[in-house]
Amino acid sequence: DVKVTQSSRYLVKRTGEKVFLECVQDMDHENMFWYRQDPGLGLRLIYFSYDVKMKEKGDIPEGYSVSREKKERFSLILESASTNQTSMYLCASSPGGTVSGNTIYFGEGSWLTVV
Amino acid sequence: RKEVEQDPGPFNVPEGATVAFNCTYSNSASQSFFWYRQDCRKEPKLLMSVYSSGNEDGRFTAQLNRASQYISLLIRDSKLSDSATYLCVVNSHNAGNMLTFGGGTRLMVKP
Repeated sequence: DVKVTQSSRYLVKRTGEKVFLECVQDMDHENMFWYRQDPGLGLRLIYFSYDVKMKEKGDIPEGYSVSREKKERFSLILESASTNQTSMYLCASSPGGTVSGNTIYFGEGSWLTVV
Repeated sequence: RKEVEQDPGPFNVPEGATVAFNCTYSNSASQSFFWYRQDCRKEPKLLMSVYSSGNEDGRFTAQLNRASQYISLLIRDSKLSDSATYLCVVNSHNAGNMLTFGGGTRLMVKP
C-alpha cells in the first residue's frame, strides 16, 4: 500500500523557533511536495523536489526552506516560525515526470500552531 | 482572480438529495481535471478524474465544459457519509506542470 508519512501530526511552537516537518514516502517516487492549506485558500505549493538534492520554489516559498538528502525523505524547515505560518502542512509524492492528480499521494497532514 | 474557484458552501442537503458543485478555472491551457474529497482534518483523496466526455462512478458524475472553463460534480442519492469538502484540482502543463487546487466546497448531508 502506498504510504506517505508525516512524523508530526500536531505541533505547537513559539514565535522565532526553528521548526522541522519531516516526510517519508515508501514508493520510490522521484517527486515530493510540501503544501500548506488554509481555510478557503485550497492547497498552496511551498516547495517541491524532483530528485535528491534538487528543490524548486512553489507559489509561497517565503519563510520556508527544504531539504532532500535521501530520495524517500523531504523535510520542510521554518527557520524562524511566525504566527502567520500557523496552518496545516501536507506532504505529497508522485512518480517522476508529469504530475497528475491521479498519481499524487498525500500524507495525513501536520497541524502547526505558532504562538 | 483565483486560478481555480469554487463556491465554499456549505451546501446543506437532506439524505437522498441530488447536489451539484461547479468549479471554474482560468487557464485555458489546462489539460487534466480531478475531484478530490477531503474529510475533516484529513488529507485530500482522489475521488475521480474528469474526462472530456464526462464520466460516472456510481452515484457520482463529473462533467467538463472546456468552452466555459468549468467542471462539475453531481452527487445523486446523497448519503450521510458524503459529508466532506470537495476539492477541484486542475493540472496545467504550461504552468510548471503543477496541480492547482480550488478552495473546496463543503457538503453537509443531514438525516
